Amino acid sequence: DAGITQSPRYKITETGRQVTLMCHQTWSHSYMFWYRQDLGHGLRLIYYSAAADITDKGEVPDGYVVSRSKTENFPLTLESATRSQTSVYFCASSESLKAGQFFGPGTRLTVL
Amino acid sequence: AQSVTQPDIHITVSEGASLELRCNYSYGATPYLFWYVQSPGQGLQLLLKYFSGDTLVQGIKGFEAEFKRSQSSFNLRKPSVHWSDAAEYFCAVVAGSGNEKLTFGTGTRLTIIP
Repeated sequence: DAGITQSPRYKITETGRQVTLMCHQTWSHSYMFWYRQDLGHGLRLIYYSAAADITDKGEVPDGYVVSRSKTENFPLTLESATRSQTSVYFCASSESLKAGQFFGPGTRLTVL
Repeated sequence: AQSVTQPDIHITVSEGASLELRCNYSYGATPYLFWYVQSPGQGLQLLLKYFSGDTLVQGIKGFEAEFKRSQSSFNLRKPSVHWSDAAEYFCAVVAGSGNEKLTFGTGTRLTIIP
């Protein structure tokens, strides 16, 4: 199906474990983004990518790693999960700034 | 640095009444401005956007927004709300070309009462 998908939709993990959240888009958009959404903070940008093999930090990158070997995929890895990373994570993509961003359904991550 | 303020955390409106959600931005030049809506448990959906030209922009679901440079505002309006409009609304801004980072406000939660 066309669009942007995220997996898993829900994830529970323990402190110190590595977790990877997947994001896949079928539009061949150049830009992809990862946000976290926390009560009282709105959405905050973690990392973004302007094209395959090009990534850059956002507002809250510490503790996260991204890669983009293919245009359609943009996985987000928590190398050693902490409780403060409990959040809802959204992936988004866009063709350009003017087009606005399309968001995935989100992944709810709980770190115990 | 660019920033976005949504002064109202929560607004309650009767079904059929008019709606205005406030958004103020801080940025020297004219930014790219967006409104998104998020229904419970869902991702964000783009309602409308403004870059230049006519300061009154029309979006989906009967929403419109007006850009006022003098007030650094981009308020969202709807003449008559429906129960299905209950959701969280986010204003967002992107600085001028060359900066891909979208900055969101903290959101306004809209409740509709019968």
